[in-house]
Amino acid sequence: QVRLQESGPGLVTPSGTLSLTCTVSGDSVSNNAWWWSWVRQPPMKGLEWIGEIHHTGATYNNPSLKSRVTISLDKSKNQFALQLSSVTAADTAVYYCARGNEYSWNWWGQGTLVSVSS
Amino acid sequence: EIALTQSPGTLSLSPGERATLSCRPTQSVSSTYLAWYQQKPGQAPRLLIYGASKRATGIPDRFSGSWSGTDFTLTISRLEPEDFAFYYCQQYDTSPPTYTFGQGTRLEIK
Repeated sequence: QVRLQESGPGLVTPSGTLSLTCTVSGDSVSNNAWWWSWVRQPPMKGLEWIGEIHHTGATYNNPSLKSRVTISLDKSKNQFALQLSSVTAADTAVYYCARGNEYSWNWWGQGTLVSVSS
Repeated sequence: EIALTQSPGTLSLSPGERATLSCRPTQSVSSTYLAWYQQKPGQAPRLLIYGASKRATGIPDRFSGSWSGTDFTLTISRLEPEDFAFYYCQQYDTSPPTYTFGQGTRLEIK
């Protein structure tokens, strides 16, 4: 059974950096078959893809987030991480980590709410 | 950038009825790269359909996906009480690699 678990601060100050970690169990982030992604959902709104990383180090990000996104991999801990810089209230959302390929995501974390507020 | 328009925004039906949800891209999308998700309040999305018509592991056969031309459809043949939820379509674009979701359809009990 694959399990993904998000962790990180639930509150970030405006202009700061949002940092989240996704811990994977039941699979390896080094598994060549999968890409490891972040998806977010503002309160009462739809889903937005943030970015993804492969064990080779390849990453792709949502162009709408420009250069604010950094996704990294820690193979020794079987984790991957998200950093989103220069946050505003518009970045308040439930953040999900997920496992997928170029078709879809078949395993998701439970999600973690991050609020941006002073 | 490809956008996905889902319709209707809200669908009100009774258990036992048939639900038909639509997803229309603004540009041509390969059926290979079209997926559907179900999301209940407070839960993560759950993959229902990938490749436009392939059911994900463990998904009941009352859920089916299809496409005609550029339009994609999710059909739930006979609604069960647990099927009332939000449904999102999602597409993958290869150049550059990006993923887009539709705005969602709320399926509510009539």
